[in-house]
Amino acid sequence: KNEVEQSPQNLTAQEGEFITINCSYSVGISALHWLQQHPGGGIVSLFMLSSGKKKHGRLIATINIQEKHSSLHITASHPRDSAVYICAVRSSADKLIFGTGTRLQVFP
Amino acid sequence: GAGVSQSPSNKVTEKGKDVELRCDPISGHTALYWYRQSLGQGLEFLIYFQGNSAPDKSGLPSDRFSAERTGGSVSTLTIQRTQQEDSAVYLCASSLVGPSYNEQFFGPGTRLTVL
Repeated sequence: KNEVEQSPQNLTAQEGEFITINCSYSVGISALHWLQQHPGGGIVSLFMLSSGKKKHGRLIATINIQEKHSSLHITASHPRDSAVYICAVRSSADKLIFGTGTRLQVFP
Repeated sequence: GAGVSQSPSNKVTEKGKDVELRCDPISGHTALYWYRQSLGQGLEFLIYFQGNSAPDKSGLPSDRFSAERTGGSVSTLTIQRTQQEDSAVYLCASSLVGPSYNEQFFGPGTRLTVL
């Protein structure tokens, strides 16, 4: 079983829909990252959080440390949001462990 | 300002040859990380530098892989006697200090193909 699990693996949405991507982990962590990988392969760090909630534009990330769960929400989704979204946790041993990603496609 | 840069962007090599991949981190970032992403796989941690030293080399898949960092800046990842399973995108990232306390900024990656 992977230490970091993401769901769903693939997600298709219509433009304007509210999107949620989930990440569950089984190790103790010091921080959790949400990354966005564009179709061309470039990776952008969206959020780093260790508690609570962060918001940037239409993106919201939440984390529940007790439940070992994080969610990434996209409001008013747009075709340019189409990408692979990757959850990564920094374990107590200071290793970065990645989920396998969620492939999102938003259609106009 | 300049982000993390990597070179070459693409490298095709023959099995058994050595390759060197280069990473230029963001100026002032003391922490540097190497990852790889094999086709259809998730990201895999390889090695982490704090300054010029590598406190964590645990992700290097074999002794054919080595990395160094000089002057607290540029890093090179060397793969000796390349094998087909080494084909992947090799990503470099840097952070201001690391690893627990800061966001990592990723380079565009080097796509390595071993024929």
